Amino acid sequence: EPEVTQTPSHQVTQMGQEVILRCVPISNHLYFYWYRQILGQKVEFLVSFYNNEISEKSEIFDDQFSVERPDGSNFTLKIRSTKLEDSAMYFCASKLSAQPPYGYTFGSGTRLTVV
Amino acid sequence: QKEVEQDPGPLSVPEGAIVSLNCTYSNSAFQYFMWYRQYSRKGPELLMYTYSSGNKEDGRFTAQVDKSSKYISLFIRDSQPSDSATYLCAMSTSYDKVIFGPGTSLSVIP
Repeated sequence: EPEVTQTPSHQVTQMGQEVILRCVPISNHLYFYWYRQILGQKVEFLVSFYNNEISEKSEIFDDQFSVERPDGSNFTLKIRSTKLEDSAMYFCASKLSAQPPYGYTFGSGTRLTVV
Repeated sequence: QKEVEQDPGPLSVPEGAIVSLNCTYSNSAFQYFMWYRQYSRKGPELLMYTYSSGNKEDGRFTAQVDKSSKYISLFIRDSQPSDSATYLCAMSTSYDKVIFGPGTSLSVIP
């Protein structure tokens, strides 16, 4: 069964450093998403991306965050200057078409630890 | 009032029991309703989905939506130890952004 692949599975970074979280969505999917889950809290929407542009973003997704699909297969989330409160699991998701949201497939996540 | 509320548990039941998981929500514009299962340190995995009000059954799982009460439920029949996980309700007004509940932790004891 096709999978959404995320790398690395765990990343530790120092406060103030830039990090890039990488995702390889399912190959024929066209809609891409990032969610995050702070330990012990709910999964929260960050951003949706279609046709090389952001479709929607939450208030969490401020100027420190950016997304990119650099080469037609990868989908990345960059955090420019990490803060302690950015420590969380970050999940990438993709879906094939403009179908209802139950078409999402989630990756296994990247655990980001900011020290 | 939180947008989506869910009893966090933990809920512990013996194997074979019927499990009832519930969520309430405040936004009457939600029309897509989903239940996800999440194992520790893994991404959410879709279990069930419904559009608008009504019931849907899939094997041991039944999802119910009551839009008039803003209440959704997931029932698990003949629960198994492998059902032990965190169950997340989720809902959406559109094709994109999904709002998740905080999750209920379930343990099924052999």
